[in-house]
Amino acid sequence: AQTVTQSQPEMSVQEAETVTLSCTYDTSESNYYLFWYKQPPSRQMILVIRQEAYKQQNATENRFSVNFQKAAKSFSLKISDSQLGDTAMYFCAFMKPYSGTYKYIFGTGTRLKVLA
Amino acid sequence: NAGVTQTPKFQVLKTGQSMTLQCAQDMNHEYMSWYRQDPGMGLRLIHYSVGAGITDQGEVPNGYNVSRSTTEDFPLRLLSAAPSQTSVYFCASSLGQRGGTDTQYFGPGTRLTVL
Repeated sequence: AQTVTQSQPEMSVQEAETVTLSCTYDTSESNYYLFWYKQPPSRQMILVIRQEAYKQQNATENRFSVNFQKAAKSFSLKISDSQLGDTAMYFCAFMKPYSGTYKYIFGTGTRLKVLA
Repeated sequence: NAGVTQTPKFQVLKTGQSMTLQCAQDMNHEYMSWYRQDPGMGLRLIHYSVGAGITDQGEVPNGYNVSRSTTEDFPLRLLSAAPSQTSVYFCASSLGQRGGTDTQYFGPGTRLTVL
């Protein structure tokens, strides 16, 4: 069974600095997808970035980028120029489409606080 | 386009009561799912549906029932609420196509407290 591990329950970063959130996963599959979701205090789950496992190039979305290491089964999220609005819970998620299902497996989350 | 909507936003129940959490999406998504979120445990899948008339169990299905009579709606039923079901519940939907663009969109959540 696939598992997703986020080993940093809480992190903090100064405004305008860079922070990296870690995520590792365990799977025997070769084709899968990885996601980072953000959950601000409003509780809404917001997609930050996604990565297809068959793509070697790391995904980027403005200030957010990932370091995808397939062999190491690592998928870290880098937030550059941190802003106060980045304060949130961040969840890493794994998805493998098979047998017509699209189930996500989530990590336990990292609570990020951006300090002014 | 309202996306994924959930009602109610908050609910307090007494042990043994029943209720239905409503979820609807207007994006013509095939795949819908229910998660519960508990402190330190991330989101855990309760039930999911890959299309109207088709449902299946997720990781933590006990105590919950679902049905999918239409593409738009996916209600979650608690038949006899227990304090262990105190949680925040999220409904999500996605196109259901195989591929990395199959992003799940989440509703705003329902905070349920069972006394």
